[in-house]
Amino acid sequence: QQQVKQSPQSLIVQKGGISIINCAYENTAFDYFPWYQQFPGKGPALLIAIRPDVSEKKEGRFTISFNKSAKQFSLHIMDSQPGDSATYFCAARGSAGNMLTFGGGTRLMVKP
Amino acid sequence: GAVVSQHPSWVICKSGTSVKIECRSLDFQATTMFWYRQFPKQSLMLMATSNEGSKATYEQGVEKDKFLINHASLTLSTLTVTSAHPEDSSFYICSARPARGPHGYTFGSGTRLTVV
Repeated sequence: QQQVKQSPQSLIVQKGGISIINCAYENTAFDYFPWYQQFPGKGPALLIAIRPDVSEKKEGRFTISFNKSAKQFSLHIMDSQPGDSATYFCAARGSAGNMLTFGGGTRLMVKP
Repeated sequence: GAVVSQHPSWVICKSGTSVKIECRSLDFQATTMFWYRQFPKQSLMLMATSNEGSKATYEQGVEKDKFLINHASLTLSTLTVTSAHPEDSSFYICSARPARGPHGYTFGSGTRLTVV
């Protein structure tokens, strides 16, 4: 089944803290796992992405951890800033098609 | 690189009229573009996959006669909401991915459609 489950739905973090968002999937045919950041009234912007042959990828303050056996992946935002306050979506691409399946989203608020 | 331009950013129309939304890949060719719909505080829902030179593939439950998709060139796809009704009011977003290169899926800035 083409599903990606994302948690939590909302998250409040203090400035400087670590924000952690988790996603789980069922379809083992997924071969590409991106994370997107979306501000109100804007389209999603790609933050970072990973393929299943890698367990971790880091770009600046953003890190994806990938656990293939558990079919889970997570986004870690280090040193969270108020400017990081946005909605974050995980997604997965099935190898059969070319489309992305999105998680339900996490609304992150970073308090100053 | 990998910029997708979407127009208009917002539109208000009367019930019964049609609205066209354009999605252009500015610096790459896109044989496939995707159209999503997003309701407030919800995730993106794939409506259809637009294929250059052929018919679009619609997701289950999406009315192909109401949401007309045309992918006339490798850089342009359009979504026309025909005979719009208030329940069609939503945020519509397109996406594309270069056939080559490191860039992943790039999204347009979205179109806020309000039908009154």
